[in-house]
Amino acid sequence: EIVLTQSPATLSLSPGERATLSCRASQSVSSYLAWYQQKPGQAPRLLIYDASNRATGIPARFSGSGSGTDFTLTISSLEPEDFAVYYCQQRSNWPSTFGQGTRLEIK
Amino acid sequence: QVQLVESGGGLVKPGGSLRLSCAASGFTFSDYYMSWIRQAPGKGLEWVSYISSSGSTIYYADSVKGRFTISRDNAKNSLYLQMNSLRAEDTAVYYCARDSPPDYWGQGTLVTVSS
Repeated sequence: EIVLTQSPATLSLSPGERATLSCRASQSVSSYLAWYQQKPGQAPRLLIYDASNRATGIPARFSGSGSGTDFTLTISSLEPEDFAVYYCQQRSNWPSTFGQGTRLEIK
Repeated sequence: QVQLVESGGGLVKPGGSLRLSCAASGFTFSDYYMSWIRQAPGKGLEWVSYISSSGSTIYYADSVKGRFTISRDNAKNSLYLQMNSLRAEDTAVYYCARDSPPDYWGQGTLVTVSS
């Protein structure tokens, strides 16, 4: 099973700042990596798929990069609605796995 | 618009069974792979099972293999998860999602396994 490790566990930033979230895979997942945002009481929302493609309706301030084992989700300028938990997920090998999440909180 | 609506969750005793359903609308259901993904209270996300568009390819997480069965009825635009021999650690919100990757999710249905 491929293990995804997200860092940091918690990120404290202010609106308008840039956020950089990391996801590292225990073995190569090629570009089969996605990022999700989850707010309390809601289902996850797909932000980025195949490492760098924004999903439908996702604002341009969200971007993804990386391949192989190291991936990054960047939020260029934080909006108040961006404070949430973010998960990465790989679908290179079954079982598909998720990272443990990064909590993005308001500083 | 794409809608996925889960049902069938509830409180069940250890060793019991439940059948979850997911009603899909707003897209051609038979064209898409589908998945069940769960989230224990206060925890992260765990993939449970995955089924191809025709139903010919199915995967299960090791934690549910032999106890859970995924199926679909393309004529009824529905996805199912039969859960047997339930354990306390199966307690979670269960989401159905359109794959791959999961771009649309239902609102989830809560399964609680407790005596």
